[in-house]
Amino acid sequence: EIMMTQSPATLSVSPGERGTLSCRASQSVSSNLAWYQQKPGQAPRLLIYDASTRATGIPARFSGSGSGTDFTLTISSLQSEDFAVYYCQQYNNWPWTFGQGTKVEIK
Amino acid sequence: QVQLQQSGPGLVKPSQTLSLTCAISGDSVSSNSAAWHWIRQSPSRGLEWLGRTYYRSKWYNDYAISVKSRITINPDTSKNQFSLQLNSVTPEDTAVYYCAGTTRGWFDPWGQGTLVTVSS
Repeated sequence: EIMMTQSPATLSVSPGERGTLSCRASQSVSSNLAWYQQKPGQAPRLLIYDASTRATGIPARFSGSGSGTDFTLTISSLQSEDFAVYYCQQYNNWPWTFGQGTKVEIK
Repeated sequence: QVQLQQSGPGLVKPSQTLSLTCAISGDSVSSNSAAWHWIRQSPSRGLEWLGRTYYRSKWYNDYAISVKSRITINPDTSKNQFSLQLNSVTPEDTAVYYCAGTTRGWFDPWGQGTLVTVSS
């Protein structure tokens, strides 16, 4: 089973600042990686798939990069609605697995 | 737009069976390009994929090793929905359970989630 490790566990950012989240796979997952946003009491929401493709309706301030084992989610200018928990998920190898999440909080 | 609506009890007694249903609108449980999944989330386990059902000229199921001996996912074509049954539950099965769909590897859409508590 591929382990997905996210860092940092908590990211404190001021509104308007840039946020950079990392996700590392225990072995290569090619570009088969997705990012999700989850707010309290809600289901995860797809942001990015294939490592860098934004899902329908996702603002351009969200961008994904990376391939192989190292991936990054960047939020270019954090808005109030972006403070949430973010998860990465690999779909290169069964079983598909998630990271433990990065909480983005207001600094 | 595909939407998933979950239903089922939020409280299950230890050793009994957890049963949830996920109704699909905007797609078909028998789609030849989609798969239908159950995922759970708890503070101790994080997001954990449990299993899936899908149709490719016949029905297939895949289950996570951690629950393989206790889980059944069934499609219901007459109601366009699919279900989760998890037998012999313990308090460690307490979690928010989600249904979700995939056409490739990413999960989209998701159901609204059901908090299931295992307690006597």
